Amino acid sequence: DTEVTQTPKHLVMGMTNKKSLKCEQHMGHRAMYWYKQKAKKPPELMFVYSYEKLSINESVPSRFSPECPNSSLLNLHLHALQPEDSALYLCASSRAKGPSNYGYTFGSGTRLTVV
Amino acid sequence: KNEVEQSPQNLTAQEGEFITINCSYSVGISALHWLQQHPGGGIVSLFMLSSGKKKHGRLIATINIQEKHSSLHITASHPRDSAVYICAVETSGSRLTFGEGTQLTVNP
Repeated sequence: DTEVTQTPKHLVMGMTNKKSLKCEQHMGHRAMYWYKQKAKKPPELMFVYSYEKLSINESVPSRFSPECPNSSLLNLHLHALQPEDSALYLCASSRAKGPSNYGYTFGSGTRLTVV
Repeated sequence: KNEVEQSPQNLTAQEGEFITINCSYSVGISALHWLQQHPGGGIVSLFMLSSGKKKHGRLIATINIQEKHSSLHITASHPRDSAVYICAVETSGSRLTFGEGTQLTVNP
């Protein structure tokens, strides 16, 4: 299995809703990432987990709450989002250590619309 | 100045043409990625390079570490190649730094 699987593919939520995005990989990668991508812009790093521990938080608002329950699974919990949070949310995984290249693999993303 | 610069920003070609997209970077890297993204879609990894040249079907990617430059070539381009192509470099801690992307349109 050489894929990163993200669910759901599309999500529409109200500003008072609580929802979660899910990301799963079975490549044995020990680093997992959340990126946010606005239209016609490159992805922006949000969070990095390394060996199931949060290693990077790029000053993301607390209405986004990441969770890494095990080495294969990464969640992003969403609460009280704003319309400007509408974007494509991408998950990626890679080896955390080892060879000089890390084997980055991206998921197909969740298209989030906040209404 | 961005750490990763891509050119051109936009590229329109006729079906069958040979296409080159360039990427220059200014930081030390452990690897360089070429990524493809169709409208509204996720990102697909095309190549990961740390030296030399790689080929996959009609796609060829090269990197010159000394000159801090990489190119992505598409031979016999096809309308289905229309997408955004993104260059990204791996720096310390496996962090990726992205270029702004090249929008490629291939007309039939």
